[in-house]
Amino acid sequence: DVKVTQSSRYLVKRTGEKVFLECVQDMDHENMFWYRQDPGLGLRLIYFSYDVKMKEKGDIPEGYSVSREKKERFSLILESASTNQTSMYLCASTLDRAAYEQYFGPGTRLTVT
Amino acid sequence: SQQGEEDPQALSIQEGENATMNCSYKTSINNLQWYRQNSGRGLVHLILIRSNEREKHSGRLRVTLDTSKKSSSLLITASRAADTASYFCATEGYSTLTFGKGTMLLVSP
Repeated sequence: DVKVTQSSRYLVKRTGEKVFLECVQDMDHENMFWYRQDPGLGLRLIYFSYDVKMKEKGDIPEGYSVSREKKERFSLILESASTNQTSMYLCASTLDRAAYEQYFGPGTRLTVT
Repeated sequence: SQQGEEDPQALSIQEGENATMNCSYKTSINNLQWYRQNSGRGLVHLILIRSNEREKHSGRLRVTLDTSKKSSSLLITASRAADTASYFCATEGYSTLTFGKGTMLLVSP
């Protein structure tokens, strides 16, 4: 079974802090994704990566950056956390660009105070 | 980017009843997927239906696709309390998926 893990289930940070959210998948998937999920807005794509050191902006990249130094790890970085970044963050992966099914991690609920 | 929209937003039924939720989308698709999300957890893939398919079954799940109406439905038969979750449809873009806002299903014992 594919396993996607996220570094924290719950995280509380202060405004202005630099925040790292880590995601690791164990099935040699090429594509990895970061979403945020907010009530009434559904899932929105922040960034995705289809290869090591490659990244593409999603629908809402502002205020975020990403890093993919190794194939199995995709990090989301909040350079200076703000209260409007309080959200559930979900990481996902797919085998390659032709694969359709996305495998999700359990999510990180981030609160910025 | 196009987005599927689920209907209804929330659905409450008794165990044993069937649950139907619908998804509408705006532009042509190659396939449509359904996912389930238990409270506070990640999404789990349920089923994928391709644009040349009209109906697909998986256990107690039945998915239909009407490309002329740009709509899909997910039917869960003989529902159980464990089916309580949010259900999302997703349409594909360029190597990405676009998710709807979901239908929250509550199945009471």
